[in-house]
Amino acid sequence: DIQMTQSPSTLSASVGDRVTITCRASQNINVWLAWYQQKPGKAPKLLIYDASRLESGVPSRFSGSGSGTEFTLTSSSLQPDDFATYYCQQYNTSWTFGPGTKVEIK
Amino acid sequence: VQLVESGGGLVQPGGSLRLSCAASGFMFRSYWMSWVRQAPGKGLEWVANIKEDGSEINYVDSVKGRFTISRDNAKNSLYLQMNTLRGEGTALYYCVRNRRGTHDSWGQGTLVTVSS
Repeated sequence: DIQMTQSPSTLSASVGDRVTITCRASQNINVWLAWYQQKPGKAPKLLIYDASRLESGVPSRFSGSGSGTEFTLTSSSLQPDDFATYYCQQYNTSWTFGPGTKVEIK
Repeated sequence: VQLVESGGGLVQPGGSLRLSCAASGFMFRSYWMSWVRQAPGKGLEWVANIKEDGSEINYVDSVKGRFTISRDNAKNSLYLQMNTLRGEGTALYYCVRNRRGTHDSWGQGTLVTVSS
């Protein structure tokens, strides 16, 4: 089974900060990685797929990169609406989510 | 796209429950569909998925032999039959549309509580 890890588990940041979250897979998943945003009491929302492709309607301040086993999600300038929990998910072999990274207000 | 789950509730350990998901706003028969769950205060866990025509089905190891995913394309509906429920089955269960391996549209979830 492919295991996913994320770091950090919690990130404290201010509006306007550039923030990066890292996701690592226990084996090569090529580019088959997605990122989701979840706000309290809401369903997750797809942000990025195929490691770097922006889902339609997602602000361009979000970007994804990586391949193989290491991936990143970046917000170039954190906005008030971006404080949420972010999950990565691999779909190379079966489907596995990472444990999540909570982005909170500093 | 709209996905509306129903069927959740309180069930005793060892009991059964059947979840339903009514889909609308897209061509249901053209998409893989999944169930993803989230235990209270915890992360996301993919549970099962089913191919467009029901010919291929996958489950997470922890539910194999106990849960059954199915669909009725004539009714635009997805189902999850859950048997021999355990405490770790307590979660919000989301009905999710798949697109090339990703989960691109989510319902609001139905809560299943396994407790005596």
